[in-house]
Amino acid sequence: DTAVSQTPKYLVTQMGNDKSIKCEQNLGHDTMYWYKQDSKKFLKIMFSYNNKELIINETVPNRFSPKSPDKAHLNLHINSLELGDSAVYFCASSQDVRALHFGNGTRLTVT
Amino acid sequence: GENVEQHPSTLSVQEGDSAVIKCTYSDSASNYFPWYKQELGKRPQLIIDIRSNVGEKKDQRIAVTLNKTAKHFSLHITETQPEDSAVYFCAASKNNQGGKLIFGQGTELSVKP
Repeated sequence: DTAVSQTPKYLVTQMGNDKSIKCEQNLGHDTMYWYKQDSKKFLKIMFSYNNKELIINETVPNRFSPKSPDKAHLNLHINSLELGDSAVYFCASSQDVRALHFGNGTRLTVT
Repeated sequence: GENVEQHPSTLSVQEGDSAVIKCTYSDSASNYFPWYKQELGKRPQLIIDIRSNVGEKKDQRIAVTLNKTAKHFSLHITETQPEDSAVYFCAASKNNQGGKLIFGQGTELSVKP
């Protein structure tokens, strides 16, 4: 009965590879997000989708491409991975201007 | 855009003492201020939130205060326990941002038994 679930939990890959992270929420929320948490624990928004429509894109390199097939899913595809992409990526959802519900995170390590 | 500053970055207290974490925000239009607790290796979880039409809110040992004029808000934890040890984040958002939360830098709270 996990509210926001994302897979995989860990992702270890080499520079230059392409990888995807999947996210699903069963809360019925209209808005979903991707946040990046760096090694200093700073949480920064990357993207936001509302009912499958992109509403926030926070100057993220175009190697990152979010896709929302429906309002319950928001996936993140990353092309040509770089060392600096190593971080924990959190998916989240919310309804209107209310609390975010985070997934458990995907720890991405690029070697 | 909105900027949220959080202090201190680390805080160590003895069990039973109080802990206070402070945040300031830059955009006077911000009207929603949640606080999140993130335990090691886990996801951030909401512990309390406050809206701009309220000055203070309490939930058991946790309270949050908001000063709109000064644009700052604080988290107060009383009678701290070792399980309160975690990283705490403040955040701010406003209605026309699609729910986008801007987070502070985080405070690592350590409660020593």
